Amino acid sequence: AQSVSQHNHHVILSEAASLELGCNYSYGGTVNLFWYVQYPGQHLQLLLKYFSGDPLVKGIKGFEAEFIKSKFSFNLRKPSVQWSDTAEYFCAVNAFTTSGTYKYIFGTGTRLKVLA
Amino acid sequence: DAGITQSPRHKVTETGTPVTLRCHQTENHRYMYWYRQDPGHGLRLIHYSYGVKDTDKGEVSDGYSVSRSKTEDFLLTLESATSSQTSVYFCAAGIGSPDTQYFGPGTRLTVL
Repeated sequence: AQSVSQHNHHVILSEAASLELGCNYSYGGTVNLFWYVQYPGQHLQLLLKYFSGDPLVKGIKGFEAEFIKSKFSFNLRKPSVQWSDTAEYFCAVNAFTTSGTYKYIFGTGTRLKVLA
Repeated sequence: DAGITQSPRHKVTETGTPVTLRCHQTENHRYMYWYRQDPGHGLRLIHYSYGVKDTDKGEVSDGYSVSRSKTEDFLLTLESATSSQTSVYFCAAGIGSPDTQYFGPGTRLTVL
């Protein structure tokens, strides 16, 4: 079955520390990959996405992610976090189904807390 | 936010009662989705729609039904609410094919 794994459930960092959140997926076909962010009290919004081309993708607010096909991974990184990055981060895969439609599969999320 | 609204935003109901949540979008997106968000489980897909009257099940569809009679509206119904359905429900919409989903603000449902 298709799945998305986020291994870090809770991460606590101090401001200016570097961040890397892991994401691995299980799916044999072509996938499109996303990271969404949910700030406290808000709805999910897109951080970045990968469809094809350069496997290093840059998103908003200084975030980037690298797609490594051989490892089925799409890890999120930021060189220097800020207090305002405190949020929950979700990795997602968009996969084409056997019934001819597209559906999303989300990971369980990683709660990031950045200490000022 | 692609003009996605959800109603109600908060609801408290009793076990065994029917509940309908509404999602409305203004961007004419073909695909619409209902998710539930629970601690430790992230977002789980309940049902999705790929067009008017075209729907399919997600991974946690038991106890839920959906309807989409117009492009802009996607209804989620709990025929007989149970306490295990206490959750935050998010609606999303998108053009379908590999592209961004736009999320609504969520509905917090409590089943007593």
